Amino acid sequence: DIQMTQSPSTLSASVGDGVTITCRASQRISTWLAWYQQRPGKAPKLLISQAGSLESGVPARFSGSGSGTEFTLTISSLQSDDFATYYCQQYKTYPWTFGQGTKVEIK
Amino acid sequence: EVQLVDSGGGLVKPGGSLRLSCAASGFTFNDYSMSWVRQAPGRGLEWVSLVTTGSNYIYYADSVKGRFTISRDPAKKSVYLQMNSLRAEDTAVYYCARTGRVAEYFQHWGQGTLVTVSS
Repeated sequence: DIQMTQSPSTLSASVGDGVTITCRASQRISTWLAWYQQRPGKAPKLLISQAGSLESGVPARFSGSGSGTEFTLTISSLQSDDFATYYCQQYKTYPWTFGQGTKVEIK
Repeated sequence: EVQLVDSGGGLVKPGGSLRLSCAASGFTFNDYSMSWVRQAPGRGLEWVSLVTTGSNYIYYADSVKGRFTISRDPAKKSVYLQMNSLRAEDTAVYYCARTGRVAEYFQHWGQGTLVTVSS
């Protein structure tokens, strides 16, 4: 199975800060990577697919990059709505696997 | 608008069974693979099972293989998860999810249904 490892596990930041979350795959997955946002008590929401393709309706302050084994999700200027947990997921091969999550909390 | 409505969760004893349902609307059901993803309390996301279009291929996580069965009914635009031999570690919110058109990321999600396995 492909293991996905996110860092950091928790990130403290203020409104207006720029933040970056890293996701590493245990083997090369090209750009078969998605990012999700999950607010407490809610279902996850797809933000980005194919490592860098922004889903329709997702604000442009979100961006994704990377290929192979290392990927990043960047939020250019945190808004109050962005305090949530973020997950990466590889979809190169079965079984489809998620990272353990990165919680972005208010400093 | 794509909508997925999950139902069927509840409290069940270890060793018991439960059947989850997901009613889909707002898209051409037959064109997309469908999946179940779960989240144990306070934990991360875990993919559980996926059924491709036409039920041509079915996949399970090792943790549920042999105990869970996924199925889809095109006439009812629904997907199901039959869960047998339930264990305490199956306690989670279960989400139905629709994949992308040609790739297995999860583009749309249901609201989730809570399954609690406890005596």
